[in-house]
Amino acid sequence: GAGVSQSPRYKVAKRGQDVALRCDPISGHVSLFWYQQALGQGPEFLTYFQNEAQLDKSGLPSDRFFAERPEGSVSTLKIQRTQQEDSAVYLCASSLTGGAGYTFGSGTRLTVV
Amino acid sequence: SQQGEEDPQALSIQEGENATMNCSYKTSINNLQWYRQNSGRGLVHLILIRSNEREKHSGRLRVTLDTSKKSSSLLITASRAADTASYFCATELNSGNTPLVFGKGTRLSVIA
Repeated sequence: GAGVSQSPRYKVAKRGQDVALRCDPISGHVSLFWYQQALGQGPEFLTYFQNEAQLDKSGLPSDRFFAERPEGSVSTLKIQRTQQEDSAVYLCASSLTGGAGYTFGSGTRLTVV
Repeated sequence: SQQGEEDPQALSIQEGENATMNCSYKTSINNLQWYRQNSGRGLVHLILIRSNEREKHSGRLRVTLDTSKKSSSLLITASRAADTASYFCATELNSGNTPLVFGKGTRLSVIA
């Protein structure tokens, strides 16, 4: 597609529920990043893929967070047993190569109630 | 943790005025990027300046980088109401294999 597509756009989850957030990067983009953005803050890094390899997951806040990109294109961020502090906008970004700027999706706004 | 610190946190100006936002960072970088975010939307890449560059222009945008002071500035000239958004600086430590580290952003309001 023309841009990075994220779904769903909005998600309301009850505390304890599992959620899965999807990112469709630009076709052919090698690098894919997930970020978490709390209200009024800048995005914070969660994890990074180069093709299907997860090269850095140091930003994942707990073992309830899991990300995958099995075929090197679409990526899914899964959050198990959601907590209220997980409420945030989750942003996905991709690029063909590094050092040239990234294309961000519109994000998924997760609200845990 | 966030490396960049934008200054000011919020800025309100009249249409036609220039807007200047500053960013400071802590470690050596490969490049610094500025992004814009409209409320409830994703980030849009505006401009990238490499560590060996001092100034860059793109339309009404002018970015400077001072690696000795670990700081950058974004100047928007002849601002328009449509420039109202949050602006973030982000540093990339290496090219392509390290994540962007964002600041907290400057919220710019341009009043018509």
